[in-house]
Amino acid sequence: TQLLEQSPQFLSIQEGENLTVYCNSSSVFSSLQWYRQEPGEGPVLLVTVVTGGEVKKLKRLTFQFGDARKDSSLHITAAQPGDTGLYLCAGDAGGTSYGKLTFGQGTILTVHP
Amino acid sequence: ETGVTQSPTHLIKTRGQQVTLRCSSQSGHNTVSWYQQALGQGPQFIFQYYREEENGRGNFPPRFSGLQFPNYSSELNVNALELDDSALYLCASRPVTWTGNTGELFFGEGSRLTVL
Repeated sequence: TQLLEQSPQFLSIQEGENLTVYCNSSSVFSSLQWYRQEPGEGPVLLVTVVTGGEVKKLKRLTFQFGDARKDSSLHITAAQPGDTGLYLCAGDAGGTSYGKLTFGQGTILTVHP
Repeated sequence: ETGVTQSPTHLIKTRGQQVTLRCSSQSGHNTVSWYQQALGQGPQFIFQYYREEENGRGNFPPRFSGLQFPNYSSELNVNALELDDSALYLCASRPVTWTGNTGELFFGEGSRLTVL
């Protein structure tokens, strides 16, 4: 059974601060995705990383995939209250498990004005 | 707006009852999967359907079953409801093309089930 350990579970910061969320596993994934979920809604895809060592940027968000494709991080620069939400990492093992995602337990981010 | 719609949005059942949740996937998406998300947790994969057949199942008992219809819409059925079945049930669909597809899912807003 593949597991994704996400940390921290809760993050409460002030507007303008930087933060990093980590997603770790002992398993290799063919790709890893980051989603953001707001209350009462389903998760919305932010980014997919596929290649070991890959770095992707989405405005103030920077995503990195570990060289061994077992871990990933999400870094937010100068957080804003609009960044508040549940951040989820999800791994796709590929092969016969293609498209069947294993999710981390999520990081609840609260950004205070 | 992902184009994936689920119904009902909220429902309350009692232990032992049965429930059917419905999902209409985005046009052109032939693969649909269902996830269970308990409060404060990440979603857990229940099963996936491709061309009306189950194509993979997570660690859920047989009382969780599903259907996919020719128009790619889907149902999740849960029999003999237990208190621990209380959760948000998410339906997600994927596009037809597999070229460059890395398994990205488009989620509906979910059906919130409460079992009393």
